[in-house]
Amino acid sequence: AQKVTQAQTEISVVEKEDVTLDCVYETRDTTYYLFWYKQPPSGELVFLIRRNSFDEQNEISGRYSWNFQKSTSSFNFTITASQVVDSAVYFCALKQGGSEKLVFGKGTKLTVNP
Amino acid sequence: DAEITQSPRHKITETGRQVTLACHQTWNHNNMFWYRQDLGHGLRLIHYSYGVQDTNKGEVSDGYSVSRSNTEDLPLTLESAASSQTSVYFCASSERTGVNGNEQFFGPGTRLTVL
Repeated sequence: AQKVTQAQTEISVVEKEDVTLDCVYETRDTTYYLFWYKQPPSGELVFLIRRNSFDEQNEISGRYSWNFQKSTSSFNFTITASQVVDSAVYFCALKQGGSEKLVFGKGTKLTVNP
Repeated sequence: DAEITQSPRHKITETGRQVTLACHQTWNHNNMFWYRQDLGHGLRLIHYSYGVQDTNKGEVSDGYSVSRSNTEDLPLTLESAASSQTSVYFCASSERTGVNGNEQFFGPGTRLTVL
């Protein structure tokens, strides 16, 4: 069975701090895909990144970076020099290779205080 | 620009009434999904469709139904609304997965309150 665990329910930081959001997944498949979505206070869900199980390269996009480690079944998300606009709920999700369905973690609410 | 829309954005109804939430996408995606979002549960899959005339049950399908008569629309019906169905509902769509494991695009959500 697939499962995504985001152990951090809520995180609060002060602006300019670095913050890492944890994501641990479970799957028996060798082919799978991992995703991060952002849900700002306005409520929409915004796609951030997709990673397939054969590509363990870390990725950086501006202040955002993602660390994928198959050895620990983790796909962690780091925001460097956080800003108030980063305040949102962040969801990690998993999709098996033979399925179109996403399994979501319960989300981590990040609050960045000025 | 292609998009996915939901209507209504807010709905208040009474227990026992039938309610239909609309979802329309102009991406021409084969796959469409309905989720509900509740505090402490994240997003849970209600129903999904891989194409016209195809529908499948998700994790929390009891009390809900969908039909897919064309590519663009996947309406979600609550046959007899219950207070436990008070939630925010999201529709999503995606291309059929290729080697890249295509992401899902989400609509803006519908906030449903059942009194």
